[in-house]
Amino acid sequence: RKEVEQDPGPFNVPEGATVAFNCTYSNSASQSFFWYRQDCRKEPKLLMSVYSSGNEDGRFTAQLNRASQYISLLIRDSKLSDSATYLCVVPGGKLVFGAGTILRVKS
Amino acid sequence: GAGVSQSPSNKVTEKGKDVELRCDPISGHTALYWYRQRLGQGLEFLIYFQGNSAPDKSGLPSDRFSAERTGESVSTLTIQRTQQEDSAVYLCARKGYTFGSGTRLTVV
Repeated sequence: RKEVEQDPGPFNVPEGATVAFNCTYSNSASQSFFWYRQDCRKEPKLLMSVYSSGNEDGRFTAQLNRASQYISLLIRDSKLSDSATYLCVVPGGKLVFGAGTILRVKS
Repeated sequence: GAGVSQSPSNKVTEKGKDVELRCDPISGHTALYWYRQRLGQGLEFLIYFQGNSAPDKSGLPSDRFSAERTGESVSTLTIQRTQQEDSAVYLCARKGYTFGSGTRLTVV
């Protein structure tokens, strides 16, 4: 099993839609998690940190399910500018990145 | 990205040449990471420096790759005898998980 697994997508959604991505991880000892977004030909940028059960920031909600070892990212009221690749990251010394989920928001 | 400077931003080199990539965490941080991202692929871990501890080199793909860092200062990633498969964007990140803008390496 890979350390971090994500559905690659792409997720094609209309503006205003709600979309959710899941990420599963194999290291049950992991305590914190991150979601990054990466725009085409740009470096990844930290979007949200998840340290306990979840975190909310505006239209973005990250949730952690330790029992099932997955984290999710929910985006409400999708904007065109949300189109990007979303990367799930599990720190533990080195940062382990998932392969990313592609989101395309269309008008 | 803010807080991490990488140079050069672009590098084109001939196959077989050595290249040196530089990462400056600017404000100084104990942790520094190098990643590689091939076109259309995910981030591939290369090496991790944590203070004065021995670096985690488990991601270096071959002995042609090496990296150095002294204390909390600049790190250099050296690729010897470059091959075409080394073409990628090389990204550096510091603790707090901020990435630099990367060096785009093209081996021709």
